[in-house]
Amino acid sequence: SAVISQKPSRDICQRGTSLTIQCQVDSQVTMMFWYRQQPGQSLTLIATANQGSEATYESGFVIDKFPISRPNLTFSTLTVSNMSPEDSSIYLCSAGTVREKLFFGSGTQLSVL
Amino acid sequence: DAKTTQPPSMDCAEGRAANLPCNHSTISGNEYVYWYRQIHSQGPQYIIHGLKNNETNEMASLIITEDRKSSTLILPHATLRDTAVYYCIVRVPYRDDKIIFGKGTRLHILP
Repeated sequence: SAVISQKPSRDICQRGTSLTIQCQVDSQVTMMFWYRQQPGQSLTLIATANQGSEATYESGFVIDKFPISRPNLTFSTLTVSNMSPEDSSIYLCSAGTVREKLFFGSGTQLSVL
Repeated sequence: DAKTTQPPSMDCAEGRAANLPCNHSTISGNEYVYWYRQIHSQGPQYIIHGLKNNETNEMASLIITEDRKSSTLILPHATLRDTAVYYCIVRVPYRDDKIIFGKGTRLHILP
């Protein structure tokens, strides 16, 4: 099973600033995804992080707001740009290999003031 | 959109079996049924998955109906630590297929 580490685990940020969240997997994976979970809600998929190419975004999410990098098979970053209080959520990284189950990180709790 | 329907909440007495239902009437032949749970403030945890046969592991059992349009997750002896939101998901595992979460079932284990 894959172990996923996310950093930071929580942060409090000022509106208008940006935060980059890191996701490190302890083994090579083919799939990496980023989710957002607003208070009391289910998880919403933001995008698929594609290794060596641009991420694939879900409806309602754009690259300018949530730029994603994935330089190799074990690492990805999600940036939340120009933050507003509405961006206060938990952001989760998920990863896995073809034919295997997906694993999730413990999440980054973001509060924007 | 999520392809599954679950009751929003359920109660179960501690020590009893918890049976969580899930409807997936539009499931296709190559889609598996996965169950995850999310304990408060943690990332989702994988529980079990199956295609058409019943499955059992150290955490739970998964019963899939013969027509595959519904399934039941069984926690045989529920404890207070099983209090969580349980998500039923259908997904094709042998390609880069994302997981779309529905609203899940909030399971309360009563002492």
